[in-house]
Amino acid sequence: AQKITQTQPGMFVQEKEAVTLDCTYDTSDQSYGLFWYKQPSSGEMIFLIYQGSYDEQNATEGRYSLNFQKARKSANLVISASQLGDSAMYFCAMRGGYKLSFGAGTTVTVRA
Amino acid sequence: ETGVTQTPRHLVMGMTNKKSLKCEQHLGHNAMYWYKQSAKKPLELMFVYSLEERVENNSVPSRFSPECPNSSHLFLHLHTLQPEDSALYLCASSQDPQANQPQHFGDGTRLSIL
Repeated sequence: AQKITQTQPGMFVQEKEAVTLDCTYDTSDQSYGLFWYKQPSSGEMIFLIYQGSYDEQNATEGRYSLNFQKARKSANLVISASQLGDSAMYFCAMRGGYKLSFGAGTTVTVRA
Repeated sequence: ETGVTQTPRHLVMGMTNKKSLKCEQHLGHNAMYWYKQSAKKPLELMFVYSLEERVENNSVPSRFSPECPNSSHLFLHLHTLQPEDSALYLCASSQDPQANQPQHFGDGTRLSIL
């Protein structure tokens, strides 16, 4: 069984500052994938970034970077230079077999 | 144009009604998924289709009936639903259901059961 834990229900960040969203996971698989999605209030789930378990380098995608610490089983998302449009719910997810398991999510509110 | 399109965006129905949710993907993917997102709960996978064949049914009640006529279309037929079925229903697609590739989601259908 796989489990994703996001311990921060909500966070506030000042515009132009960086924010780190925590994600820890539990799996017995050797090969797995970790994903981060953004869900604005409109409801759509937007794919942000992916990290493979065998990737040696941390994934980066524009202002998004993933701090992957395999031994600690953590895959934290870092959003740099926050913008007002970054206000949304953020989900960490892990693929196992056919299933993509999601964490409970973290609500990010960017303040001007 | 988004890669995954869901209709309707909003649906209100009574417990005795029959309705269907529709999902269409324009990405050439081989796998499609239905998820349920209830308030204050993580997304729950409902069904997975790979090349039009159902490969996962995540203990979903029979009042939800999926249909995948081809690799681009996915339906969720609803009948005699309960108030606790009110939720956001999200459709997604991916190239391969077992590869480490992102799933692409639609905007969802917000369902309210009266």
